[in-house]
Amino acid sequence: AQSVSQHNHHVILSEAASLELGCNYSYGGTVNLFWYVQYPGQHLQLLLKYFSGDPLVKGIKGFEAEFIKSKFSFNLRKPSVQWSDTAEYFCAVIENSGYSTLTFGKGTMLLVSP
Amino acid sequence: KAGVTQTPRYLIKTRGQQVTLSCSPISGHRSVSWYQQTPGQGLQFLFEYFSETQRNKGNFPGRFSGRQFSNSRSEMNVSTLELGDSALYLCASSGGGLNQPQHFGDGTRLSIL
Repeated sequence: AQSVSQHNHHVILSEAASLELGCNYSYGGTVNLFWYVQYPGQHLQLLLKYFSGDPLVKGIKGFEAEFIKSKFSFNLRKPSVQWSDTAEYFCAVIENSGYSTLTFGKGTMLLVSP
Repeated sequence: KAGVTQTPRYLIKTRGQQVTLSCSPISGHRSVSWYQQTPGQGLQFLFEYFSETQRNKGNFPGRFSGRQFSNSRSEMNVSTLELGDSALYLCASSGGGLNQPQHFGDGTRLSIL
């Protein structure tokens, strides 16, 4: 069975610092990759997705992620974080089996101090 | 258009009882998936329904069941509740294809006393 690993459970940054959250998955076949964000008290929202093509994908709110197939990685980045980016971030994978079942990482809680 | 709607938002039950949670997907979406979110295990897949048929199932005991109606609305039922069933239950809907991302509801917070 596939699995998703997120390297850090908690990250604390100051405003304007750069962010990189690591994500690795175990499945060897073709996958679709996602990052979701959960702001305090809100529902999970899609931040960005990778299906095919350019491995560098841009999402909402200045986030981007790079798919590196050889490393089974899909790291999330943002050059300068804001206090409003405080949230929990989830990496997720769908294997191309015909089902739309998401396998999630355990999540990374990001706290940005003003 | 309206998002995914889950009812109720909060629920308190006692051990041994059963519970039914409801999910109304985004209009036009035919796939509904259910996930359990807990601090220890994170987000875990329960099952997915597409056009009234269970298309995929996660690794949960048979006490967890679901169904989908012809209007794509879905219900999840948990019987003989255990303390460990306390969790946030999330519903997500999509068009059902691999390239169609899932949209999540606010969830139902279930607490077992």
